[in-house]
Order: sequence, then C-alpha cells, then structure tokens
Amino acid sequence: SAVISQKPSRDICQRGTSLTIQCQVDSQVTMMFWYRQQPGQSLTLIATANQGSEATYESGFVIDKFPISRPNLTFSTLTVSNMSPEDSSIYLCSVELARGGYGYTFGSGTRLTVV
Amino acid sequence: AQSVSQHNHHVILSEAASLELGCNYSYGGTVNLFWYVQYPGQHLQLLLKYFSGDPLVKGIKGFEAEFIKSKFSFNLRKPSVQWSDTAEYFCAVNADNNNDMRFGAGTRLTVKP
Repeated sequence: SAVISQKPSRDICQRGTSLTIQCQVDSQVTMMFWYRQQPGQSLTLIATANQGSEATYESGFVIDKFPISRPNLTFSTLTVSNMSPEDSSIYLCSVELARGGYGYTFGSGTRLTVV
Repeated sequence: AQSVSQHNHHVILSEAASLELGCNYSYGGTVNLFWYVQYPGQHLQLLLKYFSGDPLVKGIKGFEAEFIKSKFSFNLRKPSVQWSDTAEYFCAVNADNNNDMRFGAGTRLTVKP
C-alpha cells in the first residue's frame, strides 16, 4: 500500500501567520483528501484535491482560508492562512490509490497549535 | 503513543451474513474510539464513536461497536450486511490527553449479492 509522508508533524504558530502542510505519497494517486480534527471531535473533511483541477471544498471551508495545491500525482499542500486559536487542530491527508476501488491510507497528521 | 490494529485486511461476506470487524488499540490511558467508512471515490464518513458512558455504541446504518476496556478492543458489528455495505472500514483512536489521532490500516469489506 502507499506510504504517505506528512510534515510537519506538529507546529506551534503565532496568530495571524500561515502554515503550509505537505503530503508526499510514494506512488501516484488520483484523489487526495484533507481533513481536520478539532479537539474532542471526529474528522471533518476540508476539501478533495484532484491533480490538474481546483480543489473541491466542503461547506464551511473556503479557498482563501485553506488554499490547496496539487501540482502532480504524488504531492499536495494545505495552507492554513491567517491563523487563529480556533484553527488549532490535527490536520490529516488521505489518499485513494490510483488503482481505484479500495485502498486508502492516511498521513500521520499535523498537530497545529495556534497561540 | 497509541497504535491501532485491525485484524482483517479483506473480508468477503454474502448478503444477510453477520459482520464483526476486529480493532485493538494499545494505549494505557483514556481514549476516544471511532469507526469510519469510506466508499470508493468518497471521503470518510463517521459510523460511530465512543467517548464515555455505555460501552455498546450504536451508529448509523445499523452498525454498532462494543468497547471492552480490559481487552483494549472496539470491534464493529452488524447483524445482517447488505451489498451497499461494501466499503473500506477504519478504526481510529484518539488519546484523550494529547489529541493525537491514529488510524488502523483498514479492512476492506466486500458483500456479495
């Protein structure tokens, strides 16, 4: 199965700044998903990123706040912009393997604390 | 740090068969436990979660899971599966004191009509 390298694993950031999270996969994948888990809650999907097209954002998430890049089939970034303490969460990327059907795996997550 | 083991990589059942997917975790402290489902081409959906209280948790689509603390287990069950339950299922653990989230490797369920 695919291996995902997600970084940074954690960061503490000042409010008003931005952080870019990277997700690198060791094989080509079609779909990549970005999730957020706020403290004490389950995962929430932020957006779905397909290579060569704009990311599709879920209700409550906008591109200006969470810009996503998907330059190729093995890499994606999520930026958390103009951060506030409410953005303190775990951010996870997940990929669907290019072979289609089943096969999903997750990055190890980025724990973000905004102070 | 906590870790999660899902015992079955791929389960194949006929419709109306009963389902039990195993999930064990390793962590000595308080945990929150989740089961997610992912259908092909779709994102994760939460099936059920356990935070505290009754260890038998009922979720959507007829799924339930039982938290057995002494066995560090949180197995997912459904008495009668349907073809539409064909999907990948993930167990996840969130340690209560540090908010790290860990997923199991997933179990692919195929239900034959």
